[in-house]
Amino acid sequence: DAKTTQPTSMDCAEGRAANLPCNHSTISGNEYVYWYRQIHSQGPQYIIHGLKNNETNEMASLIITEDRKSSTLILPHATLRDTAVYYCIVRVASNQGGKLIFGQGTELSVKP
Amino acid sequence: EAGVAQSPRYKIIEKRQSVAFWCNPISGHATLYWYQQILGQGPKLLIQFQNNGVVDDSQLPKDRFSAERLKGVDSTLKIQPAKLEDSAVYLCASSLSGGSLDNEQFFGPGTRLTVL
Repeated sequence: DAKTTQPTSMDCAEGRAANLPCNHSTISGNEYVYWYRQIHSQGPQYIIHGLKNNETNEMASLIITEDRKSSTLILPHATLRDTAVYYCIVRVASNQGGKLIFGQGTELSVKP
Repeated sequence: EAGVAQSPRYKIIEKRQSVAFWCNPISGHATLYWYQQILGQGPKLLIQFQNNGVVDDSQLPKDRFSAERLKGVDSTLKIQPAKLEDSAVYLCASSLSGGSLDNEQFFGPGTRLTVL
């Protein structure tokens, strides 16, 4: 079972920041937080991941609380193309590859 | 860089028939994954290969599903015989190596299977 809890859906106005929350209260010390998104009729796409510190890349920022029990994915200037299902995943550390266990995700609708 | 290729994109079969899906991962990627995504749900891992060896097939219904990656590159996933509940999108993904947490998984477009 997925170890994360996300809202089922969210709306965001085009050009505004989209803040997607995720709860992972049972996360272990060696588990990373990953975010993927899935645009309709496409395969999931990696966005960002982090362990303890906040992370930023060209797509998004990831804010992880100090106790690591929750995180927020921030899309700073949402566009219509950001409409997708966003998955927050806690990934087990393994030398043979940590399994990605997807939950239901958050369906983000960016509106004009 | 070419992405993960899958074929066919769509397949419609009747129950009890057989079907096979093909995946060509990104060149140089040692780890290959097959996921099943039922409508309205997130993808579920069926099997993970490291080169041509199976790392995890705990969620693969082995009475009807089989997968192989004989030369450590391409892979095929087969269902025989298909059931109505097998209707789903079958996603293939690959990563450089399973051993590093920084190796993101790259997904193909998937094969949409409809079992009638």
